[in-house]
Amino acid sequence: SAVISQKPSRDICQRGTSLTIQCQVDSQVTMMFWYRQQPGQSLTLIATANQGSEATYESGFVIDKFPISRPNLTFSTLTVSNMSPEDSSIYLCSVDTSTHPDTQYFGPGTRLTVL
Amino acid sequence: AQSVTQPDIHITVSEGASLELRCNYSYGATPYLFWYVQSPGQGLQLLLKYFSGDTLVQGIKGFEAEFKRSQSSFNLRKPSVHWSDAAEYFCAVGTGFQKLVFGTGTRLLVSP
Repeated sequence: SAVISQKPSRDICQRGTSLTIQCQVDSQVTMMFWYRQQPGQSLTLIATANQGSEATYESGFVIDKFPISRPNLTFSTLTVSNMSPEDSSIYLCSVDTSTHPDTQYFGPGTRLTVL
Repeated sequence: AQSVTQPDIHITVSEGASLELRCNYSYGATPYLFWYVQSPGQGLQLLLKYFSGDTLVQGIKGFEAEFKRSQSSFNLRKPSVHWSDAAEYFCAVGTGFQKLVFGTGTRLLVSP
């Protein structure tokens, strides 16, 4: 497994502003993922972030709205840009340690409220 | 495309009673299957996973799940529920391409 931390754990932001969420892993991993969990909903994959390459976004998510950085094998950031109340969600990062197929371990999440 | 159905949105179980949470998947080949638990205000914790072999898999916290290919199911069970098991439970399917598809979740309530 892996130990994953996220910062901030929660935040309240004004519409039109941006927030950058950090994800730190205690070991080197190839693949990191960012998910959104809207209130009362399941998880939706935003993008996959591999070190050294551009993030791959899922349908409905664009880089201008959710820019992602992956500067090394233990760290990634997700920025939620030009926020609106509809962006209020829990944002989770996860990692695939490649020990077993598709097995992902999740961080504690960042609870974002946009006013 | 693969999909996961968790037909029960909420389930209430008395403390000490047995539990079964249902999960059905849709995928053409043998899937990789997972159960995660999310406690209030927390991230997701992996309970157990199935890749191949024995269709009954054991996980953490006393949970087990059984893969039934003929029913496309991967139901989660626990013989005796504790109040601390109250949480949201998510079933997920992977296809070996590093992507997981999650079900909509089942919220477990435990009554005294």
